[in-house]
Order: sequence, then C-alpha cells, then structure tokens
Amino acid sequence: EDQVTQSPEALRLQEGESSSLNCSYTVSGLRGLFWYRQDPGKGPEFLFTLYSAGEEKEKERLKATLTKKESFLHITAPKPEDSATYLCAVRLNTGFQKLVFGTGTRLLVSP
Amino acid sequence: ETGVTQSPTHLIKTRGQQVTLRCSSQSGHNTVSWYQQALGQGPQFIFQYYREEENGRGNFPPRFSGLQFPNYSSELNVNALELDDSALYLCASSLELEYEQYFGPGTRLTVT
Repeated sequence: EDQVTQSPEALRLQEGESSSLNCSYTVSGLRGLFWYRQDPGKGPEFLFTLYSAGEEKEKERLKATLTKKESFLHITAPKPEDSATYLCAVRLNTGFQKLVFGTGTRLLVSP
Repeated sequence: ETGVTQSPTHLIKTRGQQVTLRCSSQSGHNTVSWYQQALGQGPQFIFQYYREEENGRGNFPPRFSGLQFPNYSSELNVNALELDDSALYLCASSLELEYEQYFGPGTRLTVT
C-alpha cells in the first residue's frame, strides 16, 4: 500500500534554532514529491517539487532534499512566521495526478 | 492573477441532506482535483477532472460526485450527508496534468 509518513508530528523551536522535518514514503512508482505549508483553517500553499534523488530546492529559510526513500525539509534560523503545518505529498505513477499526503508536521517557532 | 477560489467558506448541513461546493480554478488551469481533509489529517484525494472529464477517483463512495465546466470551474456534490463527511473540502487546480497543484482556501462543512 502506498504510504507517506511524516515525523515528528509536532516540533517546537526557538527563533533561530535550525532543524529538519522528515517525510518517508513507500510507493510504487514515484512521479514527484511535493512540500506544502498550511496555516490553520486555510488551504495548503505550494512550496517545492522534487523529482529525483539528489535534487535540492531552496526558498528563503527552507531547503528541501530528496533521497530514494525520504525527503527532508530543512529550516534554517526559523522565525515565528514560519509556524505552520508542513505537509509532504507524493504523486503516484497512475494515469492521473493523485497526490497522497502525509499527516503533516506542526511547527511552532517561539520568539 | 487570481488564485483558486472556493465557495462557500463555511456550511452547516443536517445528516441526509445534499450539498454542492464550488471552485474556480486559477486562470488558464484545465485540471481540478478535490480533496477532503479531516481535522489533524492530511488531505485525501476524492477525484480529478481534466478538460471536463473525470480523470481519476479515490476511495470515496458514489454519493460524492462532481462536474467541471467549460471555463474549468468545478463543483463537488455530496448526497445523503453523513456525520463523518464533516471536514475541510479543498479544491486544487493545475496548469496541466503533470504540473504542481495550487489549492484554494477550502470549504468547511459541518454535518449535524
């Protein structure tokens, strides 16, 4: 069964304290891994797409990396406004563009 | 450029009723996907429309149905509402099938 697991479920950081979020997956036929940010009561906001092992993408304080079995979202010197739930999703090798999501990591950055 | 919009924002329905949720795609996007997100969970894929045709479906019963219109806006219809249908319903559009999906703000549905 296709599965996406994110860890930790929740993470509390002090402002400036760097850390990483993990997304591991077991799927049959990966056609892209996606990271989204979701604020409470809102829709997910697209951050990155990764397609192949070794690929890296950066945006401000965030950097996403991909291996054959997992992806990491590195947060460098986070600020309180980075507080959100971060969702990882994989696109399967089906005839349509179905995303399978993990349950997310709730990040809280304290000043 | 206008992003993905959804209406209504919130909705309260009674068990057994029917509901229609609406979505306007981002300009130029011909693919729309609908997801259900329960509290504390990741979004679950309901179905996808590409150029007005259903292109794929997740593990949801037939009482979940949809439409995509020539302007690529979309509707999600749910019949015979159950308490477990209470969730945030998200619509996402993409430029083409293989492109990244952009989500709307969602419709919060509460079934009592």
